[in-house]
Amino acid sequence: EAGVAQSPRYKIIEKRQSVAFWCNPISGHATLYWYQQILGQGPKLLIQFQNNGVVDDSQLPKDRFSAERLKGVDSTLKIQPAKLEDSAVYLCASSPRQGTGELFFGEGSRLTVL
Amino acid sequence: GENVEQHPSTLSVQEGDSAVIKCTYSDSASNYFPWYKQELGKRPQLIIDIRSNVGEKKDQRIAVTLNKTAKHFSLHITETQPEDSAVYFCAADNYGQNFVFGPGTRLSVLP
Repeated sequence: EAGVAQSPRYKIIEKRQSVAFWCNPISGHATLYWYQQILGQGPKLLIQFQNNGVVDDSQLPKDRFSAERLKGVDSTLKIQPAKLEDSAVYLCASSPRQGTGELFFGEGSRLTVL
Repeated sequence: GENVEQHPSTLSVQEGDSAVIKCTYSDSASNYFPWYKQELGKRPQLIIDIRSNVGEKKDQRIAVTLNKTAKHFSLHITETQPEDSAVYFCAADNYGQNFVFGPGTRLSVLP
């Protein structure tokens, strides 16, 4: 079974620039999550999709972050404009059901904002 | 929403000793408590989980206990080995929709 795919693995940008991350979940997984993991901290939920609808985006900084899940499969997370404090690993995860059971994480996209 | 605390933040043990990591949660409605292991530069991976209708669960050298009254749960690793060295995250479900993670415990198993 193919795992969760993410790209790019690494990205370095200057502050005020924009960046986009892509995620392809495990086939058939209805729930997709984007987590932000700052160095030395636990993953923090940014946004959760159920199919192509948003379930929870309460912690997404909507003035600079946006996300979409096209046709209930792939998802894109965008940051514009980036700030220094956005430096983190952005983890995409998927699961068959929300709120229970295993989360299958991708390898993550490491963002460095200079 | 849910809030999860985790202690200690770092833990060093000698190979063969036991390690215990403790977590507390705030929402008494939470029912599902997974533990994830994250090796350096790798993705988090589920190692064990427990549901609220169970007080203890064991899988080889790993066990998890849950005290719903006190709202805390613990990870126990026995006969630790160098490959157990990693960061461990506890989590709790948030309104049955998603998961709130603790800040993590860095476990070092010294040979």
